[in-house]
Amino acid sequence: KNEVEQSPQNLTAQEGEFITINCSYSVGISALHWLQQHPGGGIVSLFMLSSGKKKHGRLIATINIQEKHSSLHITASHPRDSAVYICAVPDSGGGADGLTFGKGTHLIIQP
Amino acid sequence: GAGVSQSPSNKVTEKGKDVELRCDPISGHTALYWYRQRLGQGLEFLIYFQGNSAPDKSGLPSDRFSAERTGESVSTLTIQRTQQEDSAVYLCASSLSAHLGKLFFGSGTQLSVL
Repeated sequence: KNEVEQSPQNLTAQEGEFITINCSYSVGISALHWLQQHPGGGIVSLFMLSSGKKKHGRLIATINIQEKHSSLHITASHPRDSAVYICAVPDSGGGADGLTFGKGTHLIIQP
Repeated sequence: GAGVSQSPSNKVTEKGKDVELRCDPISGHTALYWYRQRLGQGLEFLIYFQGNSAPDKSGLPSDRFSAERTGESVSTLTIQRTQQEDSAVYLCASSLSAHLGKLFFGSGTQLSVL
């Protein structure tokens, strides 16, 4: 079963700062998900990536398959980015199995 | 609708009663997942359906939990003889195909067992 470690667990930063959230996993995977959970509880999928880098607005996600590591970056952070960010990977790498979630990074951006 | 729909949005029940939660995935999505999130805790995988394959039930916490899905449509999660520790938000998500598509989440069912 895949084990997922996220860091940091909690992060408080000032508006405008560059944010990096890290995710490491133990078993090789076909794809990794980054999710955002808003304070109200709703969950939004930010990225699903299997190699390289993806960018959406101020969000950038990278993955290094060989090192079993992914990062989520937020440029020019804003208070509305405050949320819990969660990475998720297939339980055993791929195929017909469920997902294992990291414990999440609780991000607070102060104005 | 365009998104994943879950019902009911809130359910209060007495300990020992059975409950049934429903998830309507996005049309055409072959993969459907059920998760649970207890207050202040992370997401916990429960069960996963992919097309007509046998579901991955490895996350179900006990035999009181079961889920069904008819084809690639609606899924129901049933909890029998509910216990207070079953209180949580139950979330459903769907994707175009397992692990190869973005996940789309419903807004969840808040279950409270008194």
